[in-house]
Amino acid sequence: SQQGEEDPQALSIQEGENATMNCSYKTSINNLQWYRQNSGRGLVHLILIRSNEREKHSGRLRVTLDTSKKSSSLLITASRAADTASYFCATAFNFGNEKLTFGTGTRLTIIP
Amino acid sequence: KAGVTQTPRYLIKTRGQQVTLSCSPISGHRSVSWYQQTPGQGLQFLFEYFSETQRNKGNFPGRFSGRQFSNSRSEMNVSTLELGDSALYLCASSDLTGAKNIQYFGAGTRLSVL
Repeated sequence: SQQGEEDPQALSIQEGENATMNCSYKTSINNLQWYRQNSGRGLVHLILIRSNEREKHSGRLRVTLDTSKKSSSLLITASRAADTASYFCATAFNFGNEKLTFGTGTRLTIIP
Repeated sequence: KAGVTQTPRYLIKTRGQQVTLSCSPISGHRSVSWYQQTPGQGLQFLFEYFSETQRNKGNFPGRFSGRQFSNSRSEMNVSTLELGDSALYLCASSDLTGAKNIQYFGAGTRLSVL
């Protein structure tokens, strides 16, 4: 079963605009991660935020985590055509348990 | 370092057959996980191996099995294939450093069951 639900399911924006996608999860977590998947390929890790962190940045990516609401958001600034992909949040319950539970994903399309 | 390698990339089987998928993790990574991805169910965790032992198992029938070898390479086997087993099977490895479980994924094996 899916741990996370992502919103929106699909998003289309113009190149250069910012893209925001949200993830909600159900249980307590150790950390939350975001991954990107290009069509039919493997997933690529983007960023990890621990449960005691509220915000994290990496390049054009900004992730927030609100454990009280069990939600996270991923912001991609100044989007590029190469950002077109599906984005998944994944939650980990505790270190040592390598099971990641993935959300349903957001399909992002950047229009040139 | 070479990335996670999955073979074969594509596979076509018929119902009732069995299939074995292979995964070579990143050198030094001892944890290998397997996931099934379908349009309807999304990404579902199958199992995770560490040092040749299965540590975690998802909610899949016993037809799905796996193993890990001493060099950390892993195989996944599906017996008595069903049409619903058609999916992208992803393998991921992790080095478990820094108290993180970041997964490094292979390109996947696309299995079609006819």
